[in-house]
Amino acid sequence: AQSVTQLGSHVSVSEGALVLLRCNYSSSVPPYLFWYVQYPNQGLQLLLKYTTGATLVKGINGFEAEFKKSETSFHLTKPSAHMSDAAEYFCAVSINYKLSFGAGTTVTVRA
Amino acid sequence: EPEVTQTPSHQVTQMGQEVILRCVPISNHLYFYWYRQILGQKVEFLVSFYNNEISEKSEIFDDQFSVERPDGSNFTLKIRSTKLEDSAMYFCASSQGPSGGGETQYFGPGTRLLVL
Repeated sequence: AQSVTQLGSHVSVSEGALVLLRCNYSSSVPPYLFWYVQYPNQGLQLLLKYTTGATLVKGINGFEAEFKKSETSFHLTKPSAHMSDAAEYFCAVSINYKLSFGAGTTVTVRA
Repeated sequence: EPEVTQTPSHQVTQMGQEVILRCVPISNHLYFYWYRQILGQKVEFLVSFYNNEISEKSEIFDDQFSVERPDGSNFTLKIRSTKLEDSAMYFCASSQGPSGGGETQYFGPGTRLLVL
């Protein structure tokens, strides 16, 4: 079965520091992978996705993720955190007619 | 920019009552979904819907749940007899193509359901 695991339920970074959120997947077929962000009291917004082609995917708000098949990973990064990045981030894998989400990582940004 | 909308934003109901959660998907989308997120837990898939029938459903989606597209714009989730454990945020989503093809699902803002 296809699934994702997010390492670290909570990440705290200083403003201007690197943001690194880890996601590993398990899949018997080439996966379609997504990162979504959820701001407080809002719905889920797509940050970026990997389907095929280039393994380094750029998304909105300066985020990017790299698909590494050898490591079964799809980690999300942003070089310089901003206060507005404080939110919950979900990695997800697409399976047939549904998304299967990881447990989520809450990011807090310290001034 | 087109977006998925959901009503109501909050709903409080008594255990055993029926609730209907409403969603208006993006107009040219063909695939519709419901997910839920119990407080502090991960987002869980409930059901997907295409061409006026259920494509896939999870083990959560038992006989107490049903979905309907009553007209060309609305997509509803009905819970016939609510239980305390149905308290959660319910998200509607829609996509142009099937999720298995890498299509993006666009999510609504959610309905927070509280069962007392």
